[in-house]
Amino acid sequence: KAGVTQTPRYLIKTRGQQVTLSCSPISGHRSVSWYQQTPGQGLQFLFEYFSETQRNKGNFPGRFSGRQFSNSRSEMNVSTLELGDSALYLCASSLGGEWTEAFFGQGTRLTVV
Amino acid sequence: AQKVTQAQTEISVVEKEDVTLDCVYETRDTTYYLFWYKQPPSGELVFLIRRNSFDEQNEISGRYSWNFQKSTSSFNFTITASQVVDSAVYFCALSDWGGAQKLVFGQGTRLTINP
Repeated sequence: KAGVTQTPRYLIKTRGQQVTLSCSPISGHRSVSWYQQTPGQGLQFLFEYFSETQRNKGNFPGRFSGRQFSNSRSEMNVSTLELGDSALYLCASSLGGEWTEAFFGQGTRLTVV
Repeated sequence: AQKVTQAQTEISVVEKEDVTLDCVYETRDTTYYLFWYKQPPSGELVFLIRRNSFDEQNEISGRYSWNFQKSTSSFNFTITASQVVDSAVYFCALSDWGGAQKLVFGQGTRLTINP
């Protein structure tokens, strides 16, 4: 079956702009989580959506937001981009029950200039 | 607060050597999950193993084995007879029991297997 698809793979934006990243989970998966990976901070949890509701949230400013659609596809949005937002953004999908295996996409590499 | 420490930033060995990646975790929860993921250069995280806090049995899967010791809060990963294809960044992670898909990752260990 198809894996987790993240689009776009690479993105270059200017400070102050906003960006939207997309994640299509594995068919049948209802949970989508987002992570930010940077050399300095490592992998950090952003938020998780399950059945269109945000179920958990990490310690990121309000500029980072997300949503999930009825088909389980998810988007995350970052407004007023800062240089420090440059990172690899990874999406993970799972069935969403009591800890099922999370499958990760290849990520979106965002560069803010 | 939960925390995962992978003290080894980088490890380099020659092919066919055995190598152990260390992972130490902190949590106040009595029930939790531990994981290992592999991140090849392509970027995606590949799931290797999940272990719940009730199960301290060691696990072996081919050349991979995991040693979970609750008494020392460690969950170490050993690759036996390493191969060049094992070169990647390996992450240890921790999650609470609640069902929410929230992982706390260690900083990762970059493993290089030289031919």
